Amino acid sequence: GESVGLHLPTLSVQEGDNSIINCAYSNSASDYFIWYKQESGKGPQFIIDIRSNMDKRQGQRVTVLLNKTVKHLSLQIAATQPGDSAVYFCAEGASKNSGGSNYKLTFGKGTLLTVNP
Amino acid sequence: NAGVTQTPKFQVLKTGQSMTLQCAQDMNHNSMYWYRQDPGMGLRLIYYSASEGTTDKGEVPNGYNVSRLNKREFSLRLESAAPSQTSVYFCASSKRQVSNSPLHFGNGTRLTVT
Repeated sequence: GESVGLHLPTLSVQEGDNSIINCAYSNSASDYFIWYKQESGKGPQFIIDIRSNMDKRQGQRVTVLLNKTVKHLSLQIAATQPGDSAVYFCAEGASKNSGGSNYKLTFGKGTLLTVNP
Repeated sequence: NAGVTQTPKFQVLKTGQSMTLQCAQDMNHNSMYWYRQDPGMGLRLIYYSASEGTTDKGEVPNGYNVSRLNKREFSLRLESAAPSQTSVYFCASSKRQVSNSPLHFGNGTRLTVT
């Protein structure tokens, strides 16, 4: 799994399997979380996000789970395909002031997902 | 709808040279950002513009300047490039600089300073 600030881990799965990518965050004030996918030579691509008032959110083939008690976030990819091979990283967001403006995002370093055909 | 467009895609500079990285978005977003991405590190914020007419420093602003030319365009300038500025630079935009407003990124400018 990944922790915002650690060396890039890797995950290798077989095509058709489900993938789970983990992310630990450190700021208990973070209230917004995003998962990005980054393919080689491209910019980060938004996958899914979740607010802290939710613990689960589903998209197309992806599910994000949030456990605020242990400050843990995970991305589940169903029926993983070769096209899912990429670096996945999470970002946590928190307001820098009580007014909610001047928002700050902190990005993790990512997990490299390799899908074997 | 191109999203966020960055130019150039690649650039090689000699130490001391200057250049401007261009970024434009067509999503009518209010907020724009410049990040750098280095091996083994997460994206780091250089400068951002919460709305047209404003710019603010991020985590690593030294050696850079920015201009929010209009709502669509946000440029990053290196006045005197240094080898430590070798990196991949990403421009991003969001509807607003608040939660529930994800960033959308361009495909980056790969800069090498020799």
